[in-house]
Amino acid sequence: ILNVEQSPQSLHVQEGDSTNFTCSFPSSNFYALHWYRWETAKSPEALFVMTLNGDEKKKGRISATLNTKEGYSYLYIKGSQPEDSATYLCAFNAGGTSYGKLTFGQGTILTVHP
Amino acid sequence: GAGVSQSPSNKVTEKGKDVELRCDPISGHTALYWYRQSLGQGLEFLIYFQGNSAPDKSGLPSDRFSAERTGGSVSTLTIQRTQQEDSAVYLCASSLAMAAPGEYFGPGTRLTVL
Repeated sequence: ILNVEQSPQSLHVQEGDSTNFTCSFPSSNFYALHWYRWETAKSPEALFVMTLNGDEKKKGRISATLNTKEGYSYLYIKGSQPEDSATYLCAFNAGGTSYGKLTFGQGTILTVHP
Repeated sequence: GAGVSQSPSNKVTEKGKDVELRCDPISGHTALYWYRQSLGQGLEFLIYFQGNSAPDKSGLPSDRFSAERTGGSVSTLTIQRTQQEDSAVYLCASSLAMAAPGEYFGPGTRLTVL
């Protein structure tokens, strides 16, 4: 059973704060690491797909880094806004015959207070 | 443009009844995935369809669960003799064959088994 863990489970920040959270995953049989944002009553939205050790990806105020050797990824949000409030999910993709089977962490629930 | 759609959005049923959940993927997407999120759990892989290949059913929790995809488009997830532990949000996702799995998620069906 693959173990994908996210921390913290929940986070409350003030508008304008920068924040980050962690996803840890198996360092073997790595193919890709996916990040999603899931707002209440909406569909999960794909943020990043990361495949290479040392990858850094950025989308507006959100960025992510990847360390496949030690099995972790960080998601950063700079200058948090209330609309960033959502559950942030990471998912491990082992590729090969498991390509279509993502293993998700339990998510980090972010609440940004105005 | 049209995204992934799912119906119904909410379903309340009595223990022991059968239910059918529907997913309409984005047109042209050959890959289709079903996941579910039970209370307090992360997203759990159920089944994966890729083109005309045999589906990967390895995530289906019991033989009460089945899924089909007709004509390479619409998919139906059927749960027979529902149990209370089947209560969850059932999510469908689709993607182009070589794109990231779960690239586009639907809004989900919230199933409650009384």
